Amino acid sequence: EAQVTQNPRYLITVTGKKLTVTCSQNMNHEYMSWYRQDPGLGLRQIYYSMNVEVTDKGDVPEGYKVSRKEKRNFPLILESPSPNQTSLYFCASRVSAGRGSLSETQYFGPGTRLLVL
Amino acid sequence: DAKTTQPPSMDCAEGRAANLPCNHSTISGNEYVYWYRQIHSQGPQYIIHGLKNNETNEMASLIITEDRKSSTLILPHATLRDTAVYYCIVRPSFSGNTPLVFGKGTRLSVIA
Repeated sequence: EAQVTQNPRYLITVTGKKLTVTCSQNMNHEYMSWYRQDPGLGLRQIYYSMNVEVTDKGDVPEGYKVSRKEKRNFPLILESPSPNQTSLYFCASRVSAGRGSLSETQYFGPGTRLLVL
Repeated sequence: DAKTTQPPSMDCAEGRAANLPCNHSTISGNEYVYWYRQIHSQGPQYIIHGLKNNETNEMASLIITEDRKSSTLILPHATLRDTAVYYCIVRPSFSGNTPLVFGKGTRLSVIA
């Protein structure tokens, strides 16, 4: 089954304790991205990756890092989490741009709910 | 991306067709209409997309007016599991790295 998986699904942590949220897709998609969703603010992109070893900042990258060493994986790293990073996080993937309308068909993971105390 | 306007909420009786409208009067010639939905706190789910012809898949039908200024997503036999926020998004077929922008959408409540 084609899917995007995220782990963990729920996480409670404390300020300053480094954490990693994993994301994996099995559709051989080149493009992957991370979003956060907050009440009243909608979905905002944190980072994206066009392909292996190619990453770039989205709209709200502060406090986050990513890496793309393999095509299928795109982990989100919070080096020193703070309470304002409490949010619902989604990973998404799609085929690379330039393949017509299908390029805009994104597949989202189930979400990771993070609480930073 | 062209702006879209959707009603904030709608109700639909279970088993009936749910017709969700979207206005995109500033759509340009190379922009497609995409529909996604988000069931409470789950990841957004792609439903369907189209350019100017009506489209149908296993989930829904998409009717786009001839002038392309509006469209309607049709869920032919709504079930309780279709209760979600539905987003209409207009994007060119090549928008590069720009992220998907989900507006406020329409909150559809399917009622037993």
